[in-house]
Amino acid sequence: DTAVSQTPKYLVTQMGNDKSIKCEQNLGHDTMYWYKQDSKKFLKIMFSYNNKELIINETVPNRFSPKSPDKAHLNLHINSLELGDSAVYFCASSQVNLPLDTQYFGPGTRLTVL
Amino acid sequence: GQQVMQIPQYQHVQEGEDFTTYCNSSTTLSNIQWYKQRPGGHPVFLIQLVKSGEVKKQKRLTFQFGEAKKNSSLHITATQTTDVGTYFCAGIVGGGADGLTFGKGTHLIIQP
Repeated sequence: DTAVSQTPKYLVTQMGNDKSIKCEQNLGHDTMYWYKQDSKKFLKIMFSYNNKELIINETVPNRFSPKSPDKAHLNLHINSLELGDSAVYFCASSQVNLPLDTQYFGPGTRLTVL
Repeated sequence: GQQVMQIPQYQHVQEGEDFTTYCNSSTTLSNIQWYKQRPGGHPVFLIQLVKSGEVKKQKRLTFQFGEAKKNSSLHITATQTTDVGTYFCAGIVGGGADGLTFGKGTHLIIQP
């Protein structure tokens, strides 16, 4: 009955590969997010989706592409992985598309690029 | 660039001592949220402050929002080992088009 789930929990891969991280929320929330947390624990928003529409796209390389098949899912696809992509990626959701709204985070996916 | 600053970056305390982390912004914040991340875990929402000068308490935790809505603090009284983790503040900067901006967090380390 996990509210926000992510798979895989750990991902180790070689530079240049393409990988995907999946996220699902069963809270019935309208907005989902992807955050990147680097080795110094700095949390930075990457994307936000509201009703399958991209509403925030920070200065993220276009190797990163979010895909939302429906309101409950927001997957993150990464092409041509680089060493600097190593980080923990958190999916989150909120009830509505309002910055004031509480973010519910998933458990995170630790990506290691070798 | 980073518009929500948080200090200190690290704080070591003896169990039972008090702890405070401070959050500052160069611009007025619409709101401030606080999250806690345990080691190896994910951020968990603690509280939200919206009004100027607002003070909220959760057991041993006291949260304050400055009168000018440019700063906030989280104070923990008599820390316990369960308080270990990273505490993040997050706020809406500008019009909010970029969502929440998180501070860099304060890592609380407690020595028994």
